[in-house]
Amino acid sequence: QQQVKQSPQSLIVQKGGIPIINCAYENTAFDYFPWYQQFPGKGPALLIAIRPDVSEKKEGRFTISFNKSAKQFSLHIMDSQPGDSATYFCAASMGSGGGADGLTFGKGTHLIIQP
Amino acid sequence: DAGITQSPRHKVTETGTPVTLRCHQTENHRYMYWYRQDPGHGLRLIHYSYGVKDTDKGEVSDGYSVSRSKTEDFLLTLESATSSQTSVYFCATRRDRAHSPLHFGNGTRLTVT
Repeated sequence: QQQVKQSPQSLIVQKGGIPIINCAYENTAFDYFPWYQQFPGKGPALLIAIRPDVSEKKEGRFTISFNKSAKQFSLHIMDSQPGDSATYFCAASMGSGGGADGLTFGKGTHLIIQP
Repeated sequence: DAGITQSPRHKVTETGTPVTLRCHQTENHRYMYWYRQDPGHGLRLIHYSYGVKDTDKGEVSDGYSVSRSKTEDFLLTLESATSSQTSVYFCATRRDRAHSPLHFGNGTRLTVT
């Protein structure tokens, strides 16, 4: 049973557009929601993370929107650039009450920003 | 990132042979993880460790074993490699269990022929 559902699987956006990647979760005990960015040949790297006590968090051109009642969160990339082309993963985990088994990941979104 | 080194970076092996992948970290993180990444499946947890000699199974542990004799090293062993274990394997570490990000190595691409 997949606990974090991510969509779309792939996305092509023109330079300057705003790609949006969505994730939905089922476990209401999740309270930490990071996004990872992965370039070819590299491991995933933390991009931005949010806790459910806020509805939005911005870091540079990247914004996470969080809807606790709908159990959904999304990543927006403002003024997207070809260098943002990568695979993006959403993830979720429980806090101190959870186990040591790391994060539950979505299946990833392959994003291409066309020049 | 976070001083994580995976070795080897690439390996081709034959079906039925044993294979060991190594993960070495310099950050003194308590938690270490092995994931595999496959198209359409994302990142799936194989095994993890919450301390020296303390390990547990993840989502896709069949056919894999792990060992952690030192804080800095986490080994993943395929006892008898199969073609279904062709994948990219990532090691990750985490400082704390709660609200702490995973830090990933750059992966090992394993091909089983």
